[in-house]
Amino acid sequence: GENVEQHPSTLSVQEGDSAVIKCTYSDSASNYFPWYKQELGKRPQLIIDIRSNVGEKKDQRIAVTLNKTAKHFSLHITETQPEDSAVYFCAAAEYGNKLVFGAGTILRVKS
Amino acid sequence: NAGVTQTPKFQVLKTGQSMTLQCAQDMNHEYMSWYRQDPGMGLRLIHYSVGAGITDQGEVPNGYNVSRSTTEDFPLRLLSAAPSQTSVYFCASSPAGTDYEQYFGPGTRLTVT
Repeated sequence: GENVEQHPSTLSVQEGDSAVIKCTYSDSASNYFPWYKQELGKRPQLIIDIRSNVGEKKDQRIAVTLNKTAKHFSLHITETQPEDSAVYFCAAAEYGNKLVFGAGTILRVKS
Repeated sequence: NAGVTQTPKFQVLKTGQSMTLQCAQDMNHEYMSWYRQDPGMGLRLIHYSVGAGITDQGEVPNGYNVSRSTTEDFPLRLLSAAPSQTSVYFCASSPAGTDYEQYFGPGTRLTVT
């Protein structure tokens, strides 16, 4: 089955700097790669996703890149703000309802 | 729309007890899933359903049962609770087709002593 590894497990950045979180997956059949943000005590919320027929997608300060050959995808957050502090999870799936998640990255934005 | 709702919010069980975690959605979504979240391990899929009457196992199904008699409801049953089932449980739903976004419920924090 699918296996997703996520790095780093914790990431501290200064406000205004960029943050990059990387994930690798094992199943070449996976074609859907979402990123979720989870604040303390809250539910995960989708922030961006990408399909296998697209190499990059941007939404304001957030971008995701996908390299299907190397089986890795990354989340880029530019101009980080204190409210970006949260746990971020990547996931992969062949079908949207069978997500396999990475272990998560705790992002701390220091002001 | 209430979205995805879960009850209870918190629950403490003794080892060996059984209980049902409730999940309901009012978005007419075909797909529903149950995940558990443990520290440092992300979310792991327990069971999922692609429609009423159809369920299948995820990564960690042992010790849990599900059924899907209606589109709206997807209860998760713990047959004989064990301390290893102490976790936060999230239910999620998504529409069929190519819109894959999963909408999560608020979660149930379960402690088994």
